[in-house]
Amino acid sequence: DAGVIQSPRHEVTEMGQEVTLRCKPISGHNSLFWYRQTMMRGLELLIYFNNNVPIDDSGMPEDRFSAKMPNASFSTLKIQPSEPRDSAVYFCASSGQGGDIQYFGAGTRLSVL
Amino acid sequence: ILNVEQSPQSLHVQEGDSTNFTCSFPSSNFYALHWYRWETAKSPEALFVMTLNGDEKKKGRISATLNTKEGYSYLYIKGSQPEDSATYLCAFTGSNSGYALNFGKGTSLLVTP
Repeated sequence: DAGVIQSPRHEVTEMGQEVTLRCKPISGHNSLFWYRQTMMRGLELLIYFNNNVPIDDSGMPEDRFSAKMPNASFSTLKIQPSEPRDSAVYFCASSGQGGDIQYFGAGTRLSVL
Repeated sequence: ILNVEQSPQSLHVQEGDSTNFTCSFPSSNFYALHWYRWETAKSPEALFVMTLNGDEKKKGRISATLNTKEGYSYLYIKGSQPEDSATYLCAFTGSNSGYALNFGKGTSLLVTP
């Protein structure tokens, strides 16, 4: 398996634009997690899905953030409208079962100007 | 948000030195404790998942112990090598927080020849 695949690797956009980050989990994994990495707050969980169903979205900063998992092999994290303070590295991770080891993607580095 | 503390924040050792660092977490409602290794410009890579009090896990020169009653885990590296340089993250999962991982800020290790 190629591991967890995220795209794009880098995104530079202007304030107010919509940003969509994509994730393909490891085939057969039931749980998918979105994290944000910043210098100030470290690695924070934004939302996670179990069997494509959102379980805990309490980490999503505000209504500008939304995440979907339409099927077992694809998830998106959308920011609309984006703001400079959203600049961070966004990681997606998947695990076979919730609570198991999580396998991380390479991350998307987002810069909002 | 569950408080996961790691110490020290950073560590600089010479090649061949053995070292250890600490992760402290809430001792109530424990489910699992994860250790990850995160090299610069890469994504976090799982080292261990521990669930039982007194657990001890080993992977090559790296080992970890777990004390769930007092809420701490130690990570040991024996005979540090320059390739061990990375940030070591621990993450706690509570039995009442689903599968969400609460990460510490990490210990940044630098091993110089």
